[in-house]
Parts: sequence; C-alpha cells; structure tokens
Amino acid sequence: AQSVTQLGSHVSVSEGALVLLRCNYSSSVPPYLFWYVQYPNQGLQLLLKYTTGATLVKGINGFEAEFKKSETSFHLTKPSAHMSDAAEYFCAVSDLRGAGSYQLTFGKGTKLSVIP
Amino acid sequence: EAQVTQNPRYLITVTGKKLTVTCSQNMNHEYMSWYRQDPGLGLRQIYYSMNVEVTDKGDVPEGYKVSRKEKRNFPLILESPSPNQTSLYFCASSLSKLAGGYEQFFGPGTRLTVL
Repeated sequence: AQSVTQLGSHVSVSEGALVLLRCNYSSSVPPYLFWYVQYPNQGLQLLLKYTTGATLVKGINGFEAEFKKSETSFHLTKPSAHMSDAAEYFCAVSDLRGAGSYQLTFGKGTKLSVIP
Repeated sequence: EAQVTQNPRYLITVTGKKLTVTCSQNMNHEYMSWYRQDPGLGLRQIYYSMNVEVTDKGDVPEGYKVSRKEKRNFPLILESPSPNQTSLYFCASSLSKLAGGYEQFFGPGTRLTVL
C-alpha cells in the first residue's frame, strides 16, 4: 500500500522567510502527487499537483513543489512566508488500486505557523 | 458555483442513535468519497463510490454505511454511532474514477461528537 510521510507535524517560520514543507512517498512507479491546504474551520483546497511533464510545479498563492523521482519526494516551497499562509498542509498521492480506480492517500499533515 | 455541500456542519449525538450526514455535489462528478480526519492521523478514506449504485470500502469502513442512488448525492450513515467515531468528516468528489490526476473537491466538513 502507498504511504506518504510528511516530516514535521508543526513548522514555524518568520514572516518573509522561506517555507519548506517536506513530503516523501513510497511507490515503485511515479504516482500523481498533490498538495492540499486546510485553513482553520474549512475544507481542503488544492494548492498544486503533479501529473506528468515538468517536475517543477507552480500552484496558487506563490507555492511551488518539485517532483524528484530519485528521492521519491515532492517538497513544497514558498520563497517568502505571509501571515495568511498559516494553515495545515497535506501531501497526497494518487495511485491505481484494484477495480481500475485511483486511491488518494494523505500524509498526516504539517501545521504551518507564521511568526510576525 | 461549483461546490460540495455537507449537512449538518456540526452534530452532537449519543451512542447508538442513528444518524445520516448528507453530501451533495453540483459538478456532475462520477467519483465521490468520504474521509475522516483525526489529529495526527491525517485523512483516512471511509468509503468511495465510482458511480451510481457502485460503492466500495476504503481504509476505515467499520461502523459506516453509504449509498449512491443519485449521481449528485452520497450520504454517510452511522447506524449505531460510538464515541470512537467522534471526528471531522469530509465528503469529496472528482470528475473521474479512471484518471488519477484529477483533483478531489472537498466539502466544508462535518464535526461529529458522539457522547
């Protein structure tokens, strides 16, 4: 079964500093990769996704992620943190399960705090 | 507006009292799914549906039932809720079951407390 590991359940950065949230997955074939964000008291919203093609993916709100097959990683970055980035971030992997459908497996989440 | 709606948003109930959480999407999506979110565990899939009248178990199906009689609706049923089902529940939908690259759209969540 697919697994997704997010390093660090809590990450704190200063406003204006680099944001780096780590995600590693286990898969023998390149899967589809996603980052979702959850703001307080809200549902999940797609930040970005990797399906095929360019390994550096740009998303909303200035976030980007790079798919590195050799490292089985899909880390999320943003050059300069903003207070509004404070939220919980989930990495997810979609891969084929039986009966021809895809299953989305989530990491446990990383809560990002931004310090003024 | 394209969206997934869930009702109720908050629910407090007692052990053993049957309840239903409704989910509806207006995007004509084939695929729908239920997840529960618990602190430190992320989201775990309860059940999913690939189309009308087609449902299957996810990773944590025990104690839950679902049905898919219409494409837009996918209710979650707890026939005899227990305190370990206290959680935050999300419904999600996606365009197709056959393409893993499609994003899932999530509802706002239902916070359930079972006393």
